[in-house]
Amino acid sequence: RKEVEQDPGPFNVPEGATVAFNCTYSNSASQSFFWYRQDCRKEPKLLMSVYSSGNEDGRFTAQLNRASQYISLLIRDSKLSDSATYLCVVNKNTGRRALTFGSGTRLQVQP
Amino acid sequence: NAGVTQTPKFQVLKTGQSMTLQCAQDMNHEYMSWYRQDPGMGLRLIHYSVGAGITDQGEVPNGYNVSRSTTEDFPLRLLSAAPSQTSVYFCASSYGTGGQPQHFGDGTRLSIL
Repeated sequence: RKEVEQDPGPFNVPEGATVAFNCTYSNSASQSFFWYRQDCRKEPKLLMSVYSSGNEDGRFTAQLNRASQYISLLIRDSKLSDSATYLCVVNKNTGRRALTFGSGTRLQVQP
Repeated sequence: NAGVTQTPKFQVLKTGQSMTLQCAQDMNHEYMSWYRQDPGMGLRLIHYSVGAGITDQGEVPNGYNVSRSTTEDFPLRLLSAAPSQTSVYFCASSYGTGGQPQHFGDGTRLSIL
């Protein structure tokens, strides 16, 4: 089982739609969770951290479910500029001090 | 404000050649790391460092060496390039010891013929 698993997509949605991505992680001791955005042939950029109580940043909402070991990202009122790959990221918190990146979910917002 | 700077941006090597990918950050971050990204594989950690003079292996370290003589610089050396090392390489840095969000350089696209 991969440490961090994501549906690769692509998710094709019209402008204005609401779309949600889920990500599962295997290490129950993980403490830090993030969503990154990566545009084609560009570097990953931090979109938002994910907190236990859930958090919102404009049109983006992140949720954490520790019991089921998954995190989610909800995008409301999708824009063309939201088209990108969204990477789920979890810290290892054991031995090797590092972040583990999921393979990403590709979102294509269509006019 | 440069952030994380990687050079070169593109490189083509022949099998067996060696080279060094450069990475520098100006944010005084303790933690620096190197990843490779291949289609469908996501980012995989090659090596990382939690401070000057301290380095450790990631999940795919074979064929690569690193050193961290200063806080700012974290070069990645390919010892004897192989076609399997064709990839996009990203350097990243962060505060702390590895659990914080990382800032990425814009990558080096490396092809080994």
